[in-house]
Amino acid sequence: EAQVTQNPRYLITVTGKKLTVTCSQNMNHEYMSWYRQDPGLGLRQIYYSMNVEVTDKGDVPEGYKVSRKEKRNFPLILESPSPNQTSLYFCASSPSGQLIFTDTQYFGPGTRLTVL
Amino acid sequence: KNQVEQSPQSLIILEGKNCTLQCNYTVSPFSNLRWYKQDTGRGPVSLTIMTFSENTKSNGRYTATLDADTKQSSLHITASQLSDSASYICVVSAGIGGGSYIPTFGRGTSLIVHP
Repeated sequence: EAQVTQNPRYLITVTGKKLTVTCSQNMNHEYMSWYRQDPGLGLRQIYYSMNVEVTDKGDVPEGYKVSRKEKRNFPLILESPSPNQTSLYFCASSPSGQLIFTDTQYFGPGTRLTVL
Repeated sequence: KNQVEQSPQSLIILEGKNCTLQCNYTVSPFSNLRWYKQDTGRGPVSLTIMTFSENTKSNGRYTATLDADTKQSSLHITASQLSDSASYICVVSAGIGGGSYIPTFGRGTSLIVHP
């Protein structure tokens, strides 16, 4: 089944404890991105990647890191999480190397992160 | 600054009734507009996509309209079902050349369908 998977789905951690949220897609998509979704706000892009070893900042990159060593994986790293990073995180992928209007973004199921 | 405003923020209707959700935007240069459905605890799923030259697009009981002159879009749901209960997100994208775009997400309209 074509899908985007994220792990873990739920995570409670404490301030300053490094964590990684994994994202994997099995559709051979070029483009992958991370979003956060907060109550009362629309989805906001954190980072995106147009291909292996190519990453770029989105609208809210502060406090996050990403890497794209393989086409299928795009982990999100929080080196020193803080309470304001408590949020619902979504990974997404789409076929082309850039977002083009004929492509659809496929979203993962989300990771709910709480930082105490 | 590109912005997408959706209304109403929330809506409760009875099963079988129709409803219309609104999306107003200030995004330039316009590339495309999408409506997504997001079930609770799930990622968004694309319902429709429209480009500048299209003013209506249907997907089953969902019909989206676009008025590029007034920068408004609507999503009409016909004969609602309990499974339509979800958040509906309008995403308007600005073109950045070469057919590619940057999306701006609305905050969504939360729809609850009661039996």
